[in-house]
Amino acid sequence: DGGITQSPKYLFRKEGQNVTLSCEQNLNHDAMYWYRQDPGQGLRLIYYSQIVNDFQKGDIAEGYSVSREKKESFPLTVTSAQKNPTAFYLCASMNWGNLGEQFFGPGTRLTVL
Amino acid sequence: DQQVKQNSPSLSVQEGRISILNCDYTNSMFDYFLWYKKYPAEGPTFLISISSIKDKNEDGRFTVFLNKSAKHLSLHIVPSQPGDSAVYFCAASARETSGSRLTFGEGTQLTVNP
Repeated sequence: DGGITQSPKYLFRKEGQNVTLSCEQNLNHDAMYWYRQDPGQGLRLIYYSQIVNDFQKGDIAEGYSVSREKKESFPLTVTSAQKNPTAFYLCASMNWGNLGEQFFGPGTRLTVL
Repeated sequence: DQQVKQNSPSLSVQEGRISILNCDYTNSMFDYFLWYKKYPAEGPTFLISISSIKDKNEDGRFTVFLNKSAKHLSLHIVPSQPGDSAVYFCAASARETSGSRLTFGEGTQLTVNP
């Protein structure tokens, strides 16, 4: 049963702590993406990776870091430098043959207290 | 610079009637457009797409229309059903210049009343 998994569903952290969000896909997709969703602002791209061991900044990369050591995995670290980390984070993946259709995971709600 | 805009934050329609969701874009390099549907606390799911070489694409109750001269696209849902109530996102890509990146609009909350 192929798909994208994100864990955990809900995450709470204290201000000043780094936290890593997990994203795994078994769709054999080449490209992976991280977005955040805030009320009334749609989905904004944080980082994306089109192949293993390579990634690019999106529109709002400050305060975040990623790695792409395996095709299946694209973890996102929210660092203490991110000024407003509380948000809904979405991971997506895409196969180059799909003409732009990205498949999304269920999301992680991060709350920084 | 909001390159993809959905100017209506919300839309309410009666069950059985047509729902029309609108989207405008500014980047003339966009060549592929998609609509996604999203329920609360879930990831978006792909609905329908259209390439810039077409002006219409239909899939069951869903039809997307593209007007390139006006840089405008719309999603028609007919007949609307209560299960269609969700947030709908318009997205666009410029595959030649930006590869696989998608730019999303702000979303429109559709409510279909029984």
